[in-house]
Amino acid sequence: DQQVKQNSPSLSVQEGRISILNCDYTNSMFDYFLWYKKYPAEGPTFLISISSIKDKNEDGRFTVFLNKSAKHLSLHIVPSQPGDSAVYFCAASVIQGAQKLVFGQGTRLTINP
Amino acid sequence: NAGVMQNPRHLVRRRGQEARLRCSPMKGHSHVYWYRQLPEEGLKFMVYLQKENIIDESGMPKERFSAEFPKEGPSILRIQQVVRGDSAAYFCASSPQGPYGYTFGSGTRLTVV
Repeated sequence: DQQVKQNSPSLSVQEGRISILNCDYTNSMFDYFLWYKKYPAEGPTFLISISSIKDKNEDGRFTVFLNKSAKHLSLHIVPSQPGDSAVYFCAASVIQGAQKLVFGQGTRLTINP
Repeated sequence: NAGVMQNPRHLVRRRGQEARLRCSPMKGHSHVYWYRQLPEEGLKFMVYLQKENIIDESGMPKERFSAEFPKEGPSILRIQQVVRGDSAAYFCASSPQGPYGYTFGSGTRLTVV
């Protein structure tokens, strides 16, 4: 029962271009969504989040879009930089519920010079 | 301001031995969560604890696994009689309240030989 899915295991983008990472979810109870970045042998690092009352949240080069009707969110990174090469996880939660995060499988982003 | 501290970073155990993983939350955080990441997969929730209480253990295997967060000292994830399938990265996270401000430690990589 995979409630959060990242269907692209990997993505390769040229430096300076836009990276778009996608995530789909099935549980309509989710009302808070997060993106994490993870380097090998390190823990996930929080990037950006969005509440279900919004459809967009922006922080510097990172923007998250939420389409509730499609149960889809995406992370846009622009411009992409070599240091952005990592595995990106989306996660979802129910604020008033169990408070645990449900993670997708991750997408490995590689930024090519 | 130290982050979430996990130790050991690497742990090797023979089949049948016990593994003890420790997690000290960030200062001021009273919520602790344990997650497990199997190779090439996303993080899976195991257990959510507050001081001296297990709040949600819905992700814990029914046997051999236990967790505690005592009044004093770190949170402990204990795996008895380890098997090869327990080999994974175990991450601890802490937060001041629910999914807001969720911060992960660097993880403990358990290898069962």
